[in-house]
Amino acid sequence: GQQLNQSPQSMFIQEGEDVSMNCTSSSIFNTWLWYKQDPGEGPVLLIALYKAGELTSNGRLTAQFGITRKDSFLNISASIPSDVGIYFCAGPNSETSYDKVIFGPGTSLSVIP
Amino acid sequence: EAGVTQSPTHLIKTRGQQATLRCSPISGHTSVYWYQQALGLGLQFLLWYDEGEERNRGNFPPRFSGRQFPNYSSELNVNALELEDSALYLCASSPDRGRETQYFGPGTRLLVL
Repeated sequence: GQQLNQSPQSMFIQEGEDVSMNCTSSSIFNTWLWYKQDPGEGPVLLIALYKAGELTSNGRLTAQFGITRKDSFLNISASIPSDVGIYFCAGPNSETSYDKVIFGPGTSLSVIP
Repeated sequence: EAGVTQSPTHLIKTRGQQATLRCSPISGHTSVYWYQQALGLGLQFLLWYDEGEERNRGNFPPRFSGRQFPNYSSELNVNALELEDSALYLCASSPDRGRETQYFGPGTRLLVL
């Protein structure tokens, strides 16, 4: 079935640095979602992308829907300590039902003050 | 607007017992999804309910079941609990349109001893 891969698996960065992470799939996705999960909390939707090539920003976060429809990227500029958490990409599983969203394994981000 | 709520926040059970977890979706949302997130792992899709019916189910044994009530709230039942059922159980809801965009609750942390 469809699977999502995320890289890197974890990151340790200095406060103020920019962050880049990506999500790839062997299959085409028509929607890409990026979530952030704080420890002990549920994931929070950050950005949703619906069109190939789309570039969308939410504050210091920018996400792009890859042209091939098989990847997506998330960038965080000027990181701050509250950016710490796990970032998940997700998308509807088009092989079965668009209502079954699958999630990547996550990228764990640590910010060193 | 109130978000997705879940109860209880924590639940401790012993092996063989049954657990019942509850979820109230965002007002106006008709779909409810359940996910299991074991410690350090990604989100595994459990169940999807819409308009009171089970629409899809993940690769979990039948002892994981649930239902959706007329007010769209939902209940997840786990029978014959096993140690490996210990996890964070997340509920998400989505509107009738734009179902791929799911909004998560804070989760119920289940510990099986």
